[in-house]
Amino acid sequence: QKEVEQNSGPLSVPEGAIASLNCTYSDRVSQSFFWYRQYSGKSPELIMSIYSNGDKEDGRFTAQLNKASQYVSLLIRDSQPSDSATYLCAVNPQTGANNLFFGTGTRLTVIP
Amino acid sequence: GAVVSQHPSWVICKSGTSVKIECRSLDFQATTMFWYRQFPKQSLMLMATSNEGSKATYEQGVEKDKFLINHASLTLSTLTVTSAHPEDSSFYICSAGAYISYNEQFFGPGTRLTVL
Repeated sequence: QKEVEQNSGPLSVPEGAIASLNCTYSDRVSQSFFWYRQYSGKSPELIMSIYSNGDKEDGRFTAQLNKASQYVSLLIRDSQPSDSATYLCAVNPQTGANNLFFGTGTRLTVIP
Repeated sequence: GAVVSQHPSWVICKSGTSVKIECRSLDFQATTMFWYRQFPKQSLMLMATSNEGSKATYEQGVEKDKFLINHASLTLSTLTVTSAHPEDSSFYICSAGAYISYNEQFFGPGTRLTVL
């Protein structure tokens, strides 16, 4: 059973702060990792992908991957109320296939 | 790029009727499409994986005769909920697999089904 674990939250941060979202996965050979944002009543939207160990930055978002620790995180700098959503961590277990294993999501609330 | 559409966005039907939901990849070809269901305040649940030109692979507990999936082309997959009942009311979301950088999945906007 391939497992992806996330803290369900809710995680509350004040506006302007850094929000830190964490995810662990059980399959050591997992290849690529994704963060999706899902607003209430909407479908998930891909916001970050990461493949290699280290950090990957895109605007206010930074994804961090540590394959040795089987850990991936998402940092959101200068959090805005519009960032309030559920963030889903997803793991692709192998190259050449698109199937993903999703965590249950962390609900983030940014307080104005 | 990597846009996925779904139609209809919402549907209300009577118990016992069938409903077809279409999922299209608009600007790329998707050999694999996925169908998910999500109940309120719950996480995504993968129902089936659909490969173009072959039979869909259903997850354990999902009735293949009730949820008919057809993936006749590289840009279109359909999900038909047959003989729908109120307990089938849910948010149905498709996604399409594309290799942009890392085998991403791109989601359609979802279809909200209400069975009366």
